[in-house]
This record gives sequence, C-alpha cells and structure tokens, in this order.
Amino acid sequence: QVQLVESGGGVVQPGRSLRLSCAASGFTFSNYGLHWVRQAPGKGLEWVALVSYDGNNKYYTDSVEGRFTVSRDNSKNTLYLQMNSLRAEDTAVYFCVKSSGWSFDYWGQGTLVTVSS
Amino acid sequence: QSALTQPRSVSGSPGQSVTISCTGTISDVGGYNYVSWYQHHPGKAPKLLIYDVTKRPSGVPDRFSGSKSGNTASLTISGLQAEDEADYYCCSYAGIYTYVFGTGTTVTVL
Repeated sequence: QVQLVESGGGVVQPGRSLRLSCAASGFTFSNYGLHWVRQAPGKGLEWVALVSYDGNNKYYTDSVEGRFTVSRDNSKNTLYLQMNSLRAEDTAVYFCVKSSGWSFDYWGQGTLVTVSS
Repeated sequence: QSALTQPRSVSGSPGQSVTISCTGTISDVGGYNYVSWYQHHPGKAPKLLIYDVTKRPSGVPDRFSGSKSGNTASLTISGLQAEDEADYYCCSYAGIYTYVFGTGTTVTVL
C-alpha cells in the first residue's frame, strides 16, 4: 500500500533554514508528481509546492516563492522541501502528497514545523 | 491565490443530507473542471472524496457526490452518518500547475 512518511520538522528560529523529507513506498515513485501542502495551527489547508515526476519542473505558492525549494531523488524514493528564511507564518504541519491527475490521492501524516524565537 | 470560500460549519441529523459550497472565481473553480474534495479528521491524513468535480475514487461511498455551477462547486453528503463528522476542504486547480484550497467546513452530526 502507498505510504508517505514525512520527517525533519521541529522548532527553528525566524530567518533560519530547515529541510523536510518524505520517504515514499508502495507505488512507482518516478511516475508521479508530488506536492507539499501545509496547515497552520487552527487554519485550513494551503497548497505549497509541486515537483514534476522527473524533478525538472517546480511550482510554488506566492508566499514561499524564492524561499522554499522542492526537489526529489527518484533513486531514493524521497521528496524534499528546503525551507530558507523561515517566518513565523510558516509555522504549520507540512504534508507530503501524491498527485493523481489534478487531485491528491495519498497524504502523509505530516510533520510539524514551528518557527519561533 | 485567495482561498476558496466555504461555510465555516454545517450540521445535520443522522440520515439527513448536507451540502457544502465552495466559491471561487473564473481563474480557478469556474475555469477548470478540476475541483476535488477532501475529508480531514484532525490528526489524521486527509482523504480524497471527489475529484474532477464529480468523480469518486474506488472505496468512497456513493453518499458523497460533487457538482459545479459557474464559480461554485458543491459537495453533498447524503444519509449522514456519525463517522462523517470531520473537516471538509475543496481544492481547485488554478492554472500554471498551482492549486488553491477552500477555507474548510466543519460538519457536525447532531
């Protein structure tokens, strides 16, 4: 069965960096686009980023463009999110999500990122 | 990239039907037939209920149905059950491989 397991969350000071990872299994990793979606405490879901199946194309929501970088290693079945210049408003649970057409069919359990001094 | 508008909460008794609206613009909901709906029990992974406006993945009960008219999409839950109590989010493709979620709706089973 499909499994997506995020890691790398934690507490970080404003302006610092953090890298999230997502280990995938149960499907042909290199065939699918992958997304990051986040949920701030008490708030709704927010789409963050998409990387194409081959890693060559990347797309971001406006609020993270230039600060976050999504990437993938198809040899390791792993998705990454490099987060730089972190802000308090980036505090959220970050979900790793598999594409299915124009929707998201499998989600990880999420990893919590807290940006605080 | 403004969030799609959903009612904050809806409620119904077991067996009743409830409908959740999701209002966007011509740049997202109205411009593409790529609206999806997700059920989220807090602390768990969200679950895909509806994709491409009306389609149900295998395993999702036919009590869940989707539709769209203009810039507004809707999710209807028929025959409401206790386990349907959760948060529900719509999501639309918004062009150039970007997506926008709705504000979320909490469904309460009375």
